[in-house]
Amino acid sequence: AQRVTQPEKLLSVFKGAPVELKCNYSYSGSPELFWYVQYSRQRLQLLLRHISRESIKGFTADLNKGETSFHLKKPFAQEEDSAMYYCALKTAGGYQKVTFGTGTKLQVIP
Amino acid sequence: GAGVSQSPSNKVTEKGKDVELRCDPISGHTALYWYRQSLGQGLEFLIYFQGNSAPDKSGLPSDRFSAERTGGSVSTLTIQRTQQEDSAVYLCASSQQGAGNTIYFGEGSWLTVV
Repeated sequence: AQRVTQPEKLLSVFKGAPVELKCNYSYSGSPELFWYVQYSRQRLQLLLRHISRESIKGFTADLNKGETSFHLKKPFAQEEDSAMYYCALKTAGGYQKVTFGTGTKLQVIP
Repeated sequence: GAGVSQSPSNKVTEKGKDVELRCDPISGHTALYWYRQSLGQGLEFLIYFQGNSAPDKSGLPSDRFSAERTGGSVSTLTIQRTQQEDSAVYLCASSQQGAGNTIYFGEGSWLTVV
């Protein structure tokens, strides 16, 4: 079965410092990986997905199949980045299912 | 509708009572998920519906929890004989089948058991 691991429950960084939110996965097939974000009092929403190879709000994430990782990075943290971040994996094939990690709370200190 | 709709948005119930939470997914979405989010905690998977396949109930915490999805659209999560530890936000999400399709979440139903 697939699994998504986010080792840090809480990550505190100072404004302007680099951010890296870790995500590792285990899955025997070819996965799709996503990052979702939940700002205070808002619904969970998609931040970015690996197949788009996009940068959203300065965040990027590269799928590393060798290390089975999909870490989320931003070079300079902003206060508005403070939120809960979830890594997610979607399985391939007919019965696709999305599995979420337990989430990392990012706290950007002014 | 424009997004995933959940009702009620807030529910306070007495311990031991049954509650029903409703989810209206985005039209055409074949996949539907229920999650639970306790205060300060992450997402806890409850159940997954995908088209006409048998649902994945592996996340339901006890036999007091059940869910159904009628006509491949609306879903109802039922919690029987509620306990205080059931207090949480219950999130529903839906998606289309296929690569690249993302999950869209509802705003959740806040359940408080007193």
